Amino acid sequence: EAGVAQSPRYKIIEKRQSVAFWCNPISGHATLYWYQQILGQGPKLLIQFQNNGVVDDSQLPKDRFSAERLKGVDSTLKIQPAKLEDSAVYLCASSSDTPPTDTQYFGPGTRLTVL
Amino acid sequence: RKEVEQDPGPFNVPEGATVAFNCTYSNSASQSFFWYRQDCRKEPKLLMSVYSSGNEDGRFTAQLNRASQYISLLIRDSKLSDSATYLCVLPRPAGNKLTFGGGTRVLVKP
Repeated sequence: EAGVAQSPRYKIIEKRQSVAFWCNPISGHATLYWYQQILGQGPKLLIQFQNNGVVDDSQLPKDRFSAERLKGVDSTLKIQPAKLEDSAVYLCASSSDTPPTDTQYFGPGTRLTVL
Repeated sequence: RKEVEQDPGPFNVPEGATVAFNCTYSNSASQSFFWYRQDCRKEPKLLMSVYSSGNEDGRFTAQLNRASQYISLLIRDSKLSDSATYLCVLPRPAGNKLTFGGGTRVLVKP
């Protein structure tokens, strides 16, 4: 079974530029999550999708971050404009609707450096 | 108080030794938890799920102390490959959300 795919793996941009990340979850997984992991910290949930609907985006800085999952499969996360403090690893995860539904499978992440 | 707190370490462990570390949580209603393992520059991967007072899987033992609201992970006969960051994770009551601790770094040395 293929795992969660993410691209790009690495991205370096200057502050105030825009960047987008892509995620393809495990086939059949209805729930998709985007996390931000700053160096030395645990992952922090940014947004959760159930199919193509948003379940929770309370931690998403909506003035600069946006995410979509138009067809209920792939998802993109965008930052516009980026700030220095956005430097982090952005992890995508997915989980199934069949038990155990609380087990999340993570992709390899996108390491973002903002200069 | 943070929902989930961990000692960041690092715990320097001689190969073959036993190491144990704890995670404290603030929500007394928590009934289950996970330990995820994260290797350097890799994604977190599920190590153990615990839905009762504890679980054992080979050299790894996880225990939940509800009275004192902490979770422990014990690694016996440590291997060099056990070097990683161990993330304590609590499921939230609804919505399949997870709350991650900051992680405990373990370094196993020859």
